[in-house]
Amino acid sequence: AQSVAQPEDQVNVAEGNPLTVKCTYSVSGNPYLFWYVQYPNRGLQFLLKYITGDNLVKGSYGFEAEFNKSQTSFHLKKPSALVSDSALYFCAVSQNTGGFKTIFGAGTRLFVKA
Amino acid sequence: DTEVTQTPKHLVMGMTNKKSLKCEQHMGHRAMYWYKQKAKKPPELMFVYSYEKLSINESVPSRFSPECPNSSLLNLHLHALQPEDSALYLCASSPRGIGEQYFGPGTRLTVT
Repeated sequence: AQSVAQPEDQVNVAEGNPLTVKCTYSVSGNPYLFWYVQYPNRGLQFLLKYITGDNLVKGSYGFEAEFNKSQTSFHLKKPSALVSDSALYFCAVSQNTGGFKTIFGAGTRLFVKA
Repeated sequence: DTEVTQTPKHLVMGMTNKKSLKCEQHMGHRAMYWYKQKAKKPPELMFVYSYEKLSINESVPSRFSPECPNSSLLNLHLHALQPEDSALYLCASSPRGIGEQYFGPGTRLTVT
């Protein structure tokens, strides 16, 4: 069975500093990995994905993520955080189980302080 | 058109009512999804439609009944709900079964 873990409930970072939001996964077979962001009272917005290819994936709003197969991780990063990045971030993994099922991690709340 | 729309935005219903949630996309996506999200929790997959056929039902109670009338529309029919069914119901679509999903803003459902 597939699963996703986000070990931090909350990450605090000062504006202008780099940020990292951690994600580890467990799947049998090749993983399809995603990051989404959710602002209050809104639906989720897609940030980036890893399907195959380069381990470093670049996405929307300056975010990037590094796929590490040996550590089964897919951490989200940004070189310089903005106050407007403050939101709830979800890591997700998809797998074909006779239909493509997506499992989301518990979420990490990011606070960027000015 | 690059968005998923959901109606209504808010819905309050009694436990004996019948209501429906509606989701629409005009991006030509062939997979559509219903999720349930409780406050400060991740979305939980309920149903997946692929090419207008139900491909995944995550053991959802029968008081929730999905329908996909065509490739652009997805409905969720609600009947005899319980207060614990109160949540944000999110619809999403993707070009195919695998790949990023595009989410609507959700319907905030309150069951009284």
